Amino acid sequence: SQQGEEDPQALSIQEGENATMNCSYKTSINNLQWYRQNSGRGLVHLILIRSNEREKHSGRLRVTLDTSKKSSSLLITASRAADTASYFCATDLTDKLIFGTGTRLQVFP
Amino acid sequence: EPEVTQTPSHQVTQMGQEVILRCVPISNHLYFYWYRQILGQKVEFLVSFYNNEISEKSEIFDDQFSVERPDGSNFTLKIRSTKLEDSAMYFCASRDLVGQPYEQYFGPGTRLTVT
Repeated sequence: SQQGEEDPQALSIQEGENATMNCSYKTSINNLQWYRQNSGRGLVHLILIRSNEREKHSGRLRVTLDTSKKSSSLLITASRAADTASYFCATDLTDKLIFGTGTRLQVFP
Repeated sequence: EPEVTQTPSHQVTQMGQEVILRCVPISNHLYFYWYRQILGQKVEFLVSFYNNEISEKSEIFDDQFSVERPDGSNFTLKIRSTKLEDSAMYFCASRDLVGQPYEQYFGPGTRLTVT
């Protein structure tokens, strides 16, 4: 079955540094999406990358996708304390989203 | 900006009781979903709903669960007889009819605590 696994599970950095999170999955996908979740709150959609795309940018976010390795990475540049949250990748082949285990990012001021 | 809303934000219930979680999807959206997240774990798909019927459901979505769109705006998840292990955050999501690629818009969630 599809399964997203993120690494690292937790990441602590200083403000201004870049944060890179990785996601691996097991089966074919149509798209891969990244979501953010502040502690105990809802999911906020960050970015979607199609299976035929290799890289996508949105503001300080950069997402790459390597379908041959079944992996994706999310880079947050020039991190801010407000970026502290959990980040999840989610893949879809059918209509449902399959979420990864998430990376807990802590950005210290 | 339109958003998905969910009520209540927190529901406490006793084991064996029925609960109904409510969602108001974005108004022009036609696909609806429920997901859940047990504390500290990943978000899991429960069910998708389109054209007044279930499109897909997971193994979690057993006979104790049901979904309904009772009117033109609400989308509900009912758990008939709650168990302790049903304690989780439940998220509703919706998307419009436009084809791939698409984005599912998530509500803020309802925290269900079964005691």
